[in-house]
Amino acid sequence: DVVMTQSPLSLPVTLGQPASISCRSSQSLVHSDGNTYLNWFQQRPGQSPRRLIYRVSNRDSGVPDRFSGSGSGTDFTLRISRVEAEDVGVYYCMQGTHWPTFGGGTKVEIK
Amino acid sequence: EVQLVESGGVFVQPGGSLRLTCAASGFPFSTYWMSWVRQAPGKGLEWVAHIKEDGSQTYHVDSVKGRFTISRDNAKNSLYLQMNSLRAEDTAVYYCGRGGSKSGPDPWGQGTLVTVSS
Repeated sequence: DVVMTQSPLSLPVTLGQPASISCRSSQSLVHSDGNTYLNWFQQRPGQSPRRLIYRVSNRDSGVPDRFSGSGSGTDFTLRISRVEAEDVGVYYCMQGTHWPTFGGGTKVEIK
Repeated sequence: EVQLVESGGVFVQPGGSLRLTCAASGFPFSTYWMSWVRQAPGKGLEWVAHIKEDGSQTYHVDSVKGRFTISRDNAKNSLYLQMNSLRAEDTAVYYCGRGGSKSGPDPWGQGTLVTVSS
């Protein structure tokens, strides 16, 4: 299986400041159809996960534009331009190019 | 509004069986792949299974192959997960989601807790 490694495990951030989460895969995520199936999910405390970003950089409907995704091959990043209180939670990357696997999660908290 | 509501999660002994149901509404259910993802208490996410729009293709993670079966009834807008030979390590919240494996589920249901213990 493809191993997804996220860093950091915990990310204390100051309100209004940027945050960045890294996700690396053990194999290339470029599919034979040419797409790269790397997605990002947010799980707020006590809630179900919610997809934020699909196929590296496509923001889902209703997701604030302070969230952005980038990367290619095996190296990907989720950025929050200005962290707000509602962004607290655990963020997971997930690849769907091979049998789907998730990263271990990054916990975002406010300093 | 798209809604996914899971049910069927209970406390069950090792070796027991259970069927989870996900009732879908607010979208053309028969035109979407559907998925199950689980989350053990305090842990991360694990993909369990997914099924094609018409039910003709199903895929299961190795750890549940031969024990779990994903299925659907498009006439009832319902997704199922039949769980047999349950083990302690199957204890988790089980989420159903609209969508298949490539782009991941969107949205997810609220989840249903399955506890396997003697």
